[in-house]
Amino acid sequence: AQTVTQSQPEMSVQEAETVTLSCTYDTSENNYYLFWYKQPPSRQMILVIRQEAYKQQNATENRFSVNFQKAAKSFSLKISDSQLGDTAMYFCAFIPNNAGNMLTFGGGTRLMVKP
Amino acid sequence: KAGVTQTPRYLIKTRGQQVTLSCSPISGHRSVSWYQQTPGQGLQFLFEYFSETQRNKGNFPGRFSGRQFSNSRSEMNVSTLELGDSALYLCASSGGFSYNEQFFGPGTRLTVL
Repeated sequence: AQTVTQSQPEMSVQEAETVTLSCTYDTSENNYYLFWYKQPPSRQMILVIRQEAYKQQNATENRFSVNFQKAAKSFSLKISDSQLGDTAMYFCAFIPNNAGNMLTFGGGTRLMVKP
Repeated sequence: KAGVTQTPRYLIKTRGQQVTLSCSPISGHRSVSWYQQTPGQGLQFLFEYFSETQRNKGNFPGRFSGRQFSNSRSEMNVSTLELGDSALYLCASSGGFSYNEQFFGPGTRLTVL
């Protein structure tokens, strides 16, 4: 069984600054995918960024980037130039390859971006 | 492209009743997954349907069931409702592969009294 742990229940950051959200996971799988999903107060969950475990290069999407450390089973999310619209719950999620669409989520980190 | 839609958005039931929630995936998506979100347990996977077949199942009692129709629309049913079933139920659709992004609906907020 896989587990995903987000050790920071809440975080805050000033607008325009950088913040890093932590995520660790436990699995015996070698091939898998990791995701960060964002759930704003409106509740619609949206994908922020995705990482394939077999790729050593860290994924980036505009202001969002990850630090993927496969040996350490760590997958942190860095948000640069934070904006008020980044205020949301952020969930780290894991899925083994060939496991259909059965995501395992972490407990979430509530991020508040302050003006 | 229209997004994932879920109906109803809000529902109030009493203990012992049963409830059916509906999810319409993005056109062309064959996989629909259901998740339960509660403050205490977080986001938990219920089940996934792919081409009308249950492909994966989470660790929930048999009171939770689902099905998928030929047009990929999915329903989940909860029988003999308990207070602990109060939650936000999210469905997500995707192309069906593990690397695919899952597109989530707005959820159905179920309150059991």
